[in-house]
Amino acid sequence: SQELEQSPQSLIVQEGKNLTINCTSSKTLYGLYWYKQKYGEGLIFLMMLQKGGEEKSHEKITAKLDEKKQQSSLHITASQPSHAGIYLCGADDQAGTALIFGKGTTLSVSS
Amino acid sequence: NAGVTQTPKFQVLKTGQSMTLQCAQDMNHEYMSWYRQDPGMGLRLIHYSVGAGITDQGEVPNGYNVSRSTTEDFPLRLLSAAPSQTSVYFCASSPTGPNQPQHFGDGTRLSIL
Repeated sequence: SQELEQSPQSLIVQEGKNLTINCTSSKTLYGLYWYKQKYGEGLIFLMMLQKGGEEKSHEKITAKLDEKKQQSSLHITASQPSHAGIYLCGADDQAGTALIFGKGTTLSVSS
Repeated sequence: NAGVTQTPKFQVLKTGQSMTLQCAQDMNHEYMSWYRQDPGMGLRLIHYSVGAGITDQGEVPNGYNVSRSTTEDFPLRLLSAAPSQTSVYFCASSPTGPNQPQHFGDGTRLSIL
């Protein structure tokens, strides 16, 4: 079965610093999704990547899918306290009936 | 814009009790799903539905039942609660399938004593 490995598990950065979160799949990714979760709340969709080499940006967050479609990265530029939360990557399962998720990366931003 | 609404937000049950977690969406989405989130385990799929009258099992379906009599509602039933079912439960929906951005509810925190 397909598995998604996220690294690091947790991250503490100083406000204003850049950071990168990685998501690696055991199989080819046909759809990769990034979500953010704040404590006590549901997941909020950030970005979707489908093509090898694809890159998308929204405000200070950039997500990339590598050419081989087995790894994605989420990069935050000039982090702010509002970026704190849990970031999860999700991917279409092989049957195309559901999403599987990584275990998440907890980001803390100190001011 | 209500989106996906889950009730209750918190619940404490005793072992052996049954209960229903409610999930409703007002976006006319065909695809709905239930996940549980546990520390160190991430999100795991319990059941999903591709439309009214159609449901299927996910990764961890044991101890849970679902039904989908309308497009809007997708309740999750715990038949006989066990401490292992202590978790945070999330309902999600999307227009037609999982390969689209999912809209999540705020979750139900369930404790089984």
